[in-house]
Amino acid sequence: EVQLVQSEAEVKKPGESLRISCKVSGDISTTAWIIWVRQMPGKGLEWMGRIDPSNSYTKYSAALPGHVSFSADKSINTAYLQWTRLEASDTAIYYCAGALSIAHPTGDWWGQGTLVSVSS
Amino acid sequence: DIQMTQSPSTLSASVGDRVTITCRASQNIGIWLAWYQQKPGKAPKLLIFKASSLESGVSSRFSGSGSGTEFTLSISSLQPDDFATYYCQQYQTDWTFGQGTKVEIK
Repeated sequence: EVQLVQSEAEVKKPGESLRISCKVSGDISTTAWIIWVRQMPGKGLEWMGRIDPSNSYTKYSAALPGHVSFSADKSINTAYLQWTRLEASDTAIYYCAGALSIAHPTGDWWGQGTLVSVSS
Repeated sequence: DIQMTQSPSTLSASVGDRVTITCRASQNIGIWLAWYQQKPGKAPKLLIFKASSLESGVSSRFSGSGSGTEFTLSISSLQPDDFATYYCQQYQTDWTFGQGTKVEIK
């Protein structure tokens, strides 16, 4: 079984940079994709994109702002979501999910979520 | 982009009721439809994949049906633990979620 453990909550100011993490443990060879999902306060789930943890190939949502990106370090089985400069509108809970299938991935395993709060 | 429309947005029901949630896709997605349950402060949990396949460990009270553009999630006999928000999600092309259906106690 695969477990995803995310980094702790963050409180930041607009303009600051940030990187949050999603560490994969267990049978990591079965994880085809790490997917990032945003949930703004009181709102629904939004797909941000996905990254292949073995080679860092990424597919971003067309709606993803330019200051947001994904990366991965396969040597430590960790995926990252990063912002070059935060905006108040980035305030949300961010979930990572692991997918078994390459071609048609579902959210088979989920991290616990990381709350990012951005306020001056 | 594929759009997903869920209805109703809120559903009030009692323990023991049978409830049904509908999800419509803006184009044909075959059977590439999943359903998730989310409780407050928790991550989503996969219930159904490929429109009607029950995820391992999920109660058989949950069932899914449909193909193409019309899908349903049914809960046969609502239990206290089932009060939550449910999302459909297409995964034929990337992911798109429905807006969610909150199942609340009547």
